[in-house]
Amino acid sequence: DVKVTQSSRYLVKRTGEKVFLECVQDMDHENMFWYRQDPGLGLRLIYFSYDVKMKEKGDIPEGYSVSREKKERFSLILESASTNQTSMYLCASSAGGETQYFGPGTRLLVL
Amino acid sequence: QKEVEQNSGPLSVPEGAIASLNCTYSDRGSQSFFWYRQYSGKSPELIMSIYSNGDKEDGRFTAQLNKASQYVSLLIRDSQPSDSATYLCAVNILGNNDMRFGAGTRLTVKP
Repeated sequence: DVKVTQSSRYLVKRTGEKVFLECVQDMDHENMFWYRQDPGLGLRLIYFSYDVKMKEKGDIPEGYSVSREKKERFSLILESASTNQTSMYLCASSAGGETQYFGPGTRLLVL
Repeated sequence: QKEVEQNSGPLSVPEGAIASLNCTYSDRGSQSFFWYRQYSGKSPELIMSIYSNGDKEDGRFTAQLNKASQYVSLLIRDSQPSDSATYLCAVNILGNNDMRFGAGTRLTVKP
């Protein structure tokens, strides 16, 4: 079974803080993704990576950065958290352009 | 026009009935199609994938694809209360890492 884990299930941060969300997958997938999910808006792609040290912007990259130093790990960084970044953050991985497998999600609240 | 459109629902069906979920997509180059189920507060989990026109059955679930009309549907036979969830349609251009998700249809199965 594919396993995708995320470092935290719930996080509460203050405006202006730097926030790190970590994702690890154990299936040697080359592709990894970060989404945010908000009611009525569905899943929106923030960034994805198709190889170590490679990254591509998704639909809503503003205010976020990513890091992929190892194949199994993909980090999402909020450089200076703002209240409009309160959301559910979902990490996913896939092999090729096929099925994406999701982690459990991190519910982030920015106060 | 959104790239992947779903009726947000809620769709309510009685236990034992057939639930029909529909999805339309805008990109004619789309090649692979997925249905995910997402329980409240949880991450999406894959139910089915379909790549060619016609029907694909897996237990109580049947995915239907019509590329000419650009729609994909999911039928759930003998619906159970445990099927109550949000169902996400996802569309991918084969070999492309850019998966597009619909906003989801919320299904409620009433005992």
